[in-house]
Amino acid sequence: AQSVSQHNHHVILSEAASLELGCNYSYGGTVNLFWYVQYPGQHLQLLLKYFSGDPLVKGIKGFEAEFIKSKFSFNLRKPSVQWSDTAEYFCAVTLPGSSASKIIFGSGTRLSIRP
Amino acid sequence: EAQVTQNPRYLITVTGKKLTVTCSQNMNHEYMSWYRQDPGLGLRQIYYSMNVEVTDKGDVPEGYKVSRKEKRNFPLILESPSPNQTSLYFCASSHWDRVNEQYFGPGTRLTVT
Repeated sequence: AQSVSQHNHHVILSEAASLELGCNYSYGGTVNLFWYVQYPGQHLQLLLKYFSGDPLVKGIKGFEAEFIKSKFSFNLRKPSVQWSDTAEYFCAVTLPGSSASKIIFGSGTRLSIRP
Repeated sequence: EAQVTQNPRYLITVTGKKLTVTCSQNMNHEYMSWYRQDPGLGLRQIYYSMNVEVTDKGDVPEGYKVSRKEKRNFPLILESPSPNQTSLYFCASSHWDRVNEQYFGPGTRLTVT
């Protein structure tokens, strides 16, 4: 079955540190890829998405993600984190065709930023 | 304001007492879905609906029911709740061809004792 893996369950960084959160998916065909963010006490919001084209995707708040097809990865990056980036981050995948109605989420990575 | 609303936001109940969590959206979305969020497991889809009277099971449908009699509403029903259904529940909606870009509700924290 298709799955999404986020191997970092909890990441703790100091402000201004660089961030990279890993996301790997298991599906050999075309996929659509997403990162969602959930700030404390709030609901999920879409951070960025990749459908096709340039594999380097820029999202809101200075986040970006790179799709590397050969590695089945879609890692999230930010050059310099802020305290306000403290949140839980979810990678997600949708599959084309008849499975397009299904979105598969990873288990999430909790990001804590030390002020 | 475009939004997805859920009620109640918090609920503590006892094993076996039927309950319903309501979900409503005002964006005329065809697609609606329910997820549960548990630590270390991320979001898992319970049920989804592509349109009125069209529902389908997600990854963890056991112990849950849904109905979609109107386009704007998609209630989640627990006929006989059990402690393993203690979780944070999210409703989401989108247009049928944009399930990738779902709008999420604020969540319902359910505790079953």
